[in-house]
Amino acid sequence: GAGVSQTPSNKVTEKGKYVELRCDPISGHTALYWYRQSLGQGPEFLIYFQGTGAADDSGLPNDRFFAVRPEGSVSTLKIQRTERGDSAVYLCASSRDRGKTEAFFGQGTRLTVV
Amino acid sequence: EDQVTQSPEALRLQEGESSSLNCSYTVSGLRGLFWYRQDPGKGPEFLFTLYSAGEEKEKERLKATLTKKESFLHITAPKPEDSATYLCAVCLQGAQKLVFGQGTRLTINP
Repeated sequence: GAGVSQTPSNKVTEKGKYVELRCDPISGHTALYWYRQSLGQGPEFLIYFQGTGAADDSGLPNDRFFAVRPEGSVSTLKIQRTERGDSAVYLCASSRDRGKTEAFFGQGTRLTVV
Repeated sequence: EDQVTQSPEALRLQEGESSSLNCSYTVSGLRGLFWYRQDPGKGPEFLFTLYSAGEEKEKERLKATLTKKESFLHITAPKPEDSATYLCAVCLQGAQKLVFGQGTRLTINP
């Protein structure tokens, strides 16, 4: 596809369950980012990949959160033992390289933990 | 601490009524400043990148400007379809992540 694709678009899960959120970046983009956005707030950085490696994971809130990008394209954000406070929109973005190029965002996955 | 503050939080204008949105930043070193537009239920849509004080960029009814402490997004003769939340973000030197402000929710009434 032409843009960043995120699946699912909505996810409702029970407290304590495990979830996986998927991101398909724009073809050829080497940099990939995950952000989290709460209602009425700007996105908050979680993790940045350059190729297959996590170059900056300083935004991950705790060890329940983990992300992978095994082949340098698709990325999966994994959340263990979900809590109600994890409810938010999870946004993925990609950019052509680590330079000054702009990042293009997907439509997000709305996660609701009940 | 690196901070980005946008004002006002919300702004209502009549169609054709020009105005400006403000983004103030306090950062250790600026690599670039970004403006995004976000519609309800959608991801942010890229508008502009500014790299140095004095730089200006334009796109249709929008113009972004940058000083050493703040950026303005000027909207000229807005239309109802310009209604959205406008987000400002900074990219810091030595880093790749964006630090976002909380956004300005703009409503243009016909």
